[in-house]
Amino acid sequence: ETGVTQTPRHLVMGMTNKKSLKCEQHLGHNAMYWYKQSAKKPLELMFVYSLEERVENNSVPSRFSPECPNSSHLFLHLHTLQPEDSALYLCASSQDVGQGLSGNTIYFGEGSWLTVV
Amino acid sequence: GENVEQHPSTLSVQEGDSAVIKCTYSDSASNYFPWYKQELGKRPQLIIDIRSNVGEKKDQRIAVTLNKTAKHFSLHITETQPEDSAVYFCAASRMNNFNKFYFGSGTKLNVKP
Repeated sequence: ETGVTQTPRHLVMGMTNKKSLKCEQHLGHNAMYWYKQSAKKPLELMFVYSLEERVENNSVPSRFSPECPNSSHLFLHLHTLQPEDSALYLCASSQDVGQGLSGNTIYFGEGSWLTVV
Repeated sequence: GENVEQHPSTLSVQEGDSAVIKCTYSDSASNYFPWYKQELGKRPQLIIDIRSNVGEKKDQRIAVTLNKTAKHFSLHITETQPEDSAVYFCAASRMNNFNKFYFGSGTKLNVKP
């Protein structure tokens, strides 16, 4: 499936590094999301973009910086991360952030496994 | 805000048996309840969803039931197969606000051949 693609799939970075995660969706959707998935925890919503505007920031530390240059691309810029930030970062998209439309739901990418050493 | 609780955290069944996973939610305004399946190392994939205007929905071996009064919904898998082994997540949201999309903590289902 190539609806929502994420790169890189695996990333190991030091605490002083700066790196970025990239997400691209080929579904013509207007909304994109970043989620964090840690072991034995519910998926945590980090950021939501609708038509390239950020509409949600769930108290995420500033060491995570999102960027949405257009409705098809979403980045997560990472700098001075901590070991506890190691997790699977999932990008997702949906037609809209919610208009009650039939079939509107969230589609996930394969995720980027991040390890902070 | 919404609170979604999911049980059990792990479930082991024999091939051919049924499996049931239950979720409860707290926000009575939630009206959209999807279920996702996540195989090891892969993305969560939507397998079935239900809106609050119906009580049950089926798709082959998978069904979801919703009790709005009690604020709980369940996933039922019949005639389980080894390829059903995965982590299953429930979620609750309002259809007009995907900014608030709350997931359960997941159930690891193991189907033994």
